[in-house]
Amino acid sequence: NAGVTQTPKFQVLKTGQSMTLQCAQDMNHNSMYWYRQDPGMGLRLIYYSASEGTTDKGEVPNGYNVSRLNKREFSLRLESAAPSQTSVYFCASSEETVLGAEAFFGQGTRLTVV
Amino acid sequence: QKEVEQNSGPLSVPEGAIASLNCTYSDRGSQSFFWYRQYSGKSPELIMSIYSNGDKEDGRFTAQLNKASQYVSLLIRDSQPSDSATYLCAATRGGYQKVTFGTGTKLQVIP
Repeated sequence: NAGVTQTPKFQVLKTGQSMTLQCAQDMNHNSMYWYRQDPGMGLRLIYYSASEGTTDKGEVPNGYNVSRLNKREFSLRLESAAPSQTSVYFCASSEETVLGAEAFFGQGTRLTVV
Repeated sequence: QKEVEQNSGPLSVPEGAIASLNCTYSDRGSQSFFWYRQYSGKSPELIMSIYSNGDKEDGRFTAQLNKASQYVSLLIRDSQPSDSATYLCAATRGGYQKVTFGTGTKLQVIP
């Protein structure tokens, strides 16, 4: 199984450019997430989607938009990239059960905004 | 105060020793706790989850939870150089949507 697949793995953008990070999962999970990881800051939630058709803001949503295209796919869009958005982005998915929820992460996208 | 706190390390232990990784959390309503391992340049990988007070063992890994003290720990027995990684602690009140991660502890296992 592929699990959670993100594209691209690396990207360099100029300030003001836009781009979309793609994420797809093949585990039939309801919930999907976008995180960013910065040195000394840990993983911070940007947006999440508890189910197909719903999205909610996380801790650091400013400058981002998301689309839950279907149960499998959850994309993250930067409309006008800024240097402060230089980071490593991770997509994740999880299925909640009575025992809790455990998330599985994609391989990450290393984004540099110059 | 961060919601989930970890010592950034590095924590250095000799091969074969027990590595003890600690985490404290500030939200008393937290119910579910997770330990992730992250190798340099890679994505986090779940290694343990714990939901009740006490110990939970899985192979060489033991997670310990003390809700009264708001403390979670991960013990790695017979540490191997391949265990060298950053270990992330995470907590949530319920529902993975609201999970909060610590900044991670870097573990170095010295051969």
